[in-house]
Amino acid sequence: QTVVTQEPSFSVSPGGTVTLTCGLSSGSVSTTYYPSWYQQTPGQAPRTLIYNTNSRSSGVPDRFSGSILGNKAALTITGAQADDESDYYCVLYMGSGIWVFGGGTKVTVL
Amino acid sequence: QVQLQESGPGLVKPSQTLSLTCTVSGGSSSSGNYYWSWIRQPAGKGLEWIGRIYSSGSTNYNPSLKSRVTISVDTSKNQFSLNLSSVTAADTAVYYCARGPGGGLTWFDPWGQGTLVTVSS
Repeated sequence: QTVVTQEPSFSVSPGGTVTLTCGLSSGSVSTTYYPSWYQQTPGQAPRTLIYNTNSRSSGVPDRFSGSILGNKAALTITGAQADDESDYYCVLYMGSGIWVFGGGTKVTVL
Repeated sequence: QVQLQESGPGLVKPSQTLSLTCTVSGGSSSSGNYYWSWIRQPAGKGLEWIGRIYSSGSTNYNPSLKSRVTISVDTSKNQFSLNLSSVTAADTAVYYCARGPGGGLTWFDPWGQGTLVTVSS
């Protein structure tokens, strides 16, 4: 079974930029995987940030952006703020009605 | 604005069946081309997609859980449900319901607040 890979953790300075990636254990991610990204803080349900690779969900600040970088989907936070400190998850469509989440990336802002 | 709320027992005994319901408000579980999903998250771990159901009743399941999962929909009550059989401690998690993905909605949104289910004797 294909695994969706994410970096376990990242640290970014306030005002800095960080790019999280979402890859496959085998193969390349493209727009046909419909990558979406979710932000989760402790004790809360996930919040949708990005869908269809690069569309920002309603109310999401424009410092969050999505793209395909090389063979992976990517989430970039530009001008990181303290309240961006969260867990971030991607999910990909594997075909045949199957969706798979990545393991998540813990982002620390310090 | 569509809202989702999970409900069901917070404690289930090993080998029994976990049953949860998600109630959709502010819309209809039968309206439009929407899928509805269940996702779970063990404490301190990541999200796992369990499966989804279309308003017509068509389903897709995570292959790793397929033998134990049944998702159903009751459009008259604007609800969809999860049954997970033969549970063990490994099934202890926060269970979320969400709209999507599928059809024109290729992402999960909105999400319910989640409900903790503990498997223990």
